[in-house]
Amino acid sequence: DADVTQTPRNRITKTGKRIMLECSQTKGHDRMYWYRQDPGLGLRLIYYSFDVKDINKGEISDGYSVSRQAQAKFSLSLESAIPNQTALYFCATSEGPGNTIYFGEGSWLTVV
Amino acid sequence: EDQVTQSPEALRLQEGESSSLNCSYTVSGLRGLFWYRQDPGKGPEFLFTLYSAGEEKEKERLKATLTKKESFLHITAPKPEDSATYLCAVQAPPFSGGYNKLIFGAGTRLAVHP
Repeated sequence: DADVTQTPRNRITKTGKRIMLECSQTKGHDRMYWYRQDPGLGLRLIYYSFDVKDINKGEISDGYSVSRQAQAKFSLSLESAIPNQTALYFCATSEGPGNTIYFGEGSWLTVV
Repeated sequence: EDQVTQSPEALRLQEGESSSLNCSYTVSGLRGLFWYRQDPGKGPEFLFTLYSAGEEKEKERLKATLTKKESFLHITAPKPEDSATYLCAVQAPPFSGGYNKLIFGAGTRLAVHP
């Protein structure tokens, strides 16, 4: 089983709908992240969390929200999806500052 | 502005044809440089971390090197299974709150043909 598990792996949704992407990890790391990947742009940070009570905005947080339900669970929500949020989304974890970031398998989201 | 540029965007090699991928960066106070491999439809897989100029790391056919302005990923005698996108990321000093910002390049798509 993967150390960082994302669900769903693929989702097609309509403009204006609310969608949630879920992430769970078994690595025991405190730090969790949500990234977005677009062709030619590299990975960009949406939100990050250092523990259950700590949530921080990343580079591109507008239109997104997150919830850290437990040390091992971090979910990303699009309250009202729009087509330019079509992308590949990755959840990631790390042990601490400066440590390697480990990624999940990704969630393909298409907004039509 | 902190920036990471990878070149070339795409590279096609014959099996056994060695080459290098480049990652150039501008960041004040580099905290670390990371190389990842990404297969289509998969998450990035960690390969190496380099922290200081002159440092080198090796894994099978891959060797990563670091200077003050760039890093190279050398691929020796590549095989078709080395085909993937290779991502470079640099870690910059933290935002307030302690997060060491990680800046990714767009990647190099490597295709190795038999």
